[in-house]
Amino acid sequence: GESVGLHLPTLSVQEGDNSIINCAYSNSASDYFIWYKQESGKGPQFIIDIRSNMDKRQGQRVTVLLNKTVKHLSLQIAATQPGDSAVYFCAENWSVGNEKLTFGTGTRLTIIP
Amino acid sequence: EAQVTQNPRYLITVTGKKLTVTCSQNMNHEYMSWYRQDPGLGLRQIYYSMNVEVTDKGDVPEGYKVSRKEKRNFPLILESPSPNQTSLYFCASSFKGARGRPQETQYFGPGTRLLVL
Repeated sequence: GESVGLHLPTLSVQEGDNSIINCAYSNSASDYFIWYKQESGKGPQFIIDIRSNMDKRQGQRVTVLLNKTVKHLSLQIAATQPGDSAVYFCAENWSVGNEKLTFGTGTRLTIIP
Repeated sequence: EAQVTQNPRYLITVTGKKLTVTCSQNMNHEYMSWYRQDPGLGLRQIYYSMNVEVTDKGDVPEGYKVSRKEKRNFPLILESPSPNQTSLYFCASSFKGARGRPQETQYFGPGTRLLVL
């Protein structure tokens, strides 16, 4: 079946460095993607989204890249800070009118001081 | 303060004893949803609601019921809980997006950790 997955379940990055979290999706019909951050003991928090008519979208210290050719999504976090330590999820949605959101299994990002 | 609240936050129960987890939002959101989160499986959608009296199944609805009698409340009901429903549950809400997608900027509650013995 269709699924959203992540290449790496854990990622450790030195404080101040940039981090890249990857996500592979298998539903070629997906046209809307979201990245969420989940800190320990809390619910997921929206970070950034991107539609399939875009290749790149930037937020504050975060950039999402979408490669539809290989069905790959990535989240780049610039100048990582201790507060960036969390589990990051990608999620996909397809077609207007489809209200379901399919989540990946998550990547745990640990910032090393 | 805009928020999604869930109660209880922690619950231990026994197989077969009916329980309800409440969810309430104060943002006048049309869309509400329930997810369960299990290790290695991420978040999976149980049920969602596009508006009052409108509900639909997500990916894992078996063993759950929901109702949406009021816009702000979306309770999750387990009529006869089983151990495989031990999980971390999240309620979420949002406005409908510009293109009718309710997922945009979805706000999540703090979670309810359920243990079914």
